[in-house]
Amino acid sequence: GAGVSQSPSNKVTEKGKDVELRCDPISGHTALYWYRQSLGQGLEFLIYFQGNSAPDKSGLPSDRFSAERTGGSVSTLTIQRTQQEDSAVYLCASSSTGVEQYFGPGTRLTVT
Amino acid sequence: DQQVKQNSPSLSVQEGRISILNCDYTNSMFDYFLWYKKYPAEGPTFLISISSIKDKNEDGRFTVFLNKSAKHLSLHIVPSQPGDSAVYFCAAKRGNTGKLIFGQGTTLQVKP
Repeated sequence: GAGVSQSPSNKVTEKGKDVELRCDPISGHTALYWYRQSLGQGLEFLIYFQGNSAPDKSGLPSDRFSAERTGGSVSTLTIQRTQQEDSAVYLCASSSTGVEQYFGPGTRLTVT
Repeated sequence: DQQVKQNSPSLSVQEGRISILNCDYTNSMFDYFLWYKKYPAEGPTFLISISSIKDKNEDGRFTVFLNKSAKHLSLHIVPSQPGDSAVYFCAAKRGNTGKLIFGQGTTLQVKP
């Protein structure tokens, strides 16, 4: 079956602009996660959605970051007024068990 | 405060031999541990997991060992194949938090 998909695969933006990153989870997976991986670093948790519960936003680095999940499926991560330190690979994952998480290919964001 | 650590940034082994990747953690509240493999420009791929109530889990060539008293886990790959060459991340999860906390990764090179 289809895995997690993300778009765009690459995004180059100018400092100060807003960007939106999209994630389509595996069909039927109720949990959806966003992580990011900066150059040479491990994966850093950003936000977690589980069903209709309030999302866990504890990993969002600043109020410039926000995410929503519409209809319990597709999710959008929005970064406002991008900064150069926002440059990273943004990864989305989904899960049906709440344990094993299955990742998409990521969106490489470059802020110039 | 790095709760999950992979102290070896790289490992090189000969094809057919055993690869042993190590991971240490500090939080005794973690209840699941997972290993992921990552190729360049792809998202992490789930390999194997282990519950904190177990000390071993095996899946084909992959075995994960958990030593709770030492707060240490390891991934054994036997026999190693050139296609196993990738970055390996260990990750840990605590209770119902959902989020995974990742180590920094170990780059495995399997030489033919």
